[in-house]
Amino acid sequence: QKEVEQDPGPLSVPEGAIVSLNCTYSNSAFQYFMWYRQYSRKGPELLMYTYSSGNKEDGRFTAQVDKSSKYISLFIRDSQPSDSATYLCAAEGSNYKLTFGKGTLLTVNP
Amino acid sequence: GAVVSQHPSWVICKSGTSVKIECRSLDFQATTMFWYRQFPKQSLMLMATSNEGSKATYEQGVEKDKFLINHASLTLSTLTVTSAHPEDSSFYICSARDGRVSNSPLHFGNGTRLTVT
Repeated sequence: QKEVEQDPGPLSVPEGAIVSLNCTYSNSAFQYFMWYRQYSRKGPELLMYTYSSGNKEDGRFTAQVDKSSKYISLFIRDSQPSDSATYLCAAEGSNYKLTFGKGTLLTVNP
Repeated sequence: GAVVSQHPSWVICKSGTSVKIECRSLDFQATTMFWYRQFPKQSLMLMATSNEGSKATYEQGVEKDKFLINHASLTLSTLTVTSAHPEDSSFYICSARDGRVSNSPLHFGNGTRLTVT
C-alpha cells in the first residue's frame, strides 16, 4: 500500500462546478499536508499548506484535513477553465521529506 | 513567496554525454534542496536531498555515481546526469524551503525536461 493514495481521475467538470479532490494516507507520522497544482510541463505550485485537522480557506480553495480518518481534501468553488491541471496531494513527516499522491488530472470545461 | 529557479527548462543530449541542471533559490537561502524525478503521468519521486557543504543523501535505488549533486552555496544546487541513457529521459524538478520561515513548505522550480537520444 502506498503511503499516500490519490485517485488519478481524470475528472471533468463544467465551469462553475464545485470540485472535490481527495487523498488518504496511512502513515500516522505525517504532520503537514499540502496541495500542489501542476500545469503540463511545469513544476508543482503550492496551493495550500495545513497542519492541524480542520478547514483552511484561501479564496476559492478550501483544504480539509481529518487526521482521525487520515483523509485530506481540496475543494475548488466556482471552478474555472484555468483550474484545469493536475492536483497533487502531499504529506510530510518529521524527516521533512514529502510523499506525494499520484495526482488527479482535472479538466474544467467552459 | 519563495522563488526557486531551475535551468535549463529543457535539454536534449546524446546518449553517453553528461548534462548539468541548476537549481537556485532566488530570494532566500536554502541549506537543503531536494531533487525529484517525474515520469509521464506519474507522481514525483524523491531522488536525493542536497545539503550545502556536505554530501547529498540519495534515496534507495538512485545511483549516486550517475546523478551527481553539488550544493556549493546556500542558493545553488546542481544535478549532473552522467553518461546519460534514453531511460534517463524524464522531468527533473528541484525544490527548497525558506529556512527563515518556521515550518516553511517546499517550493518547486519549473523543472527540466531531459531527452536523451
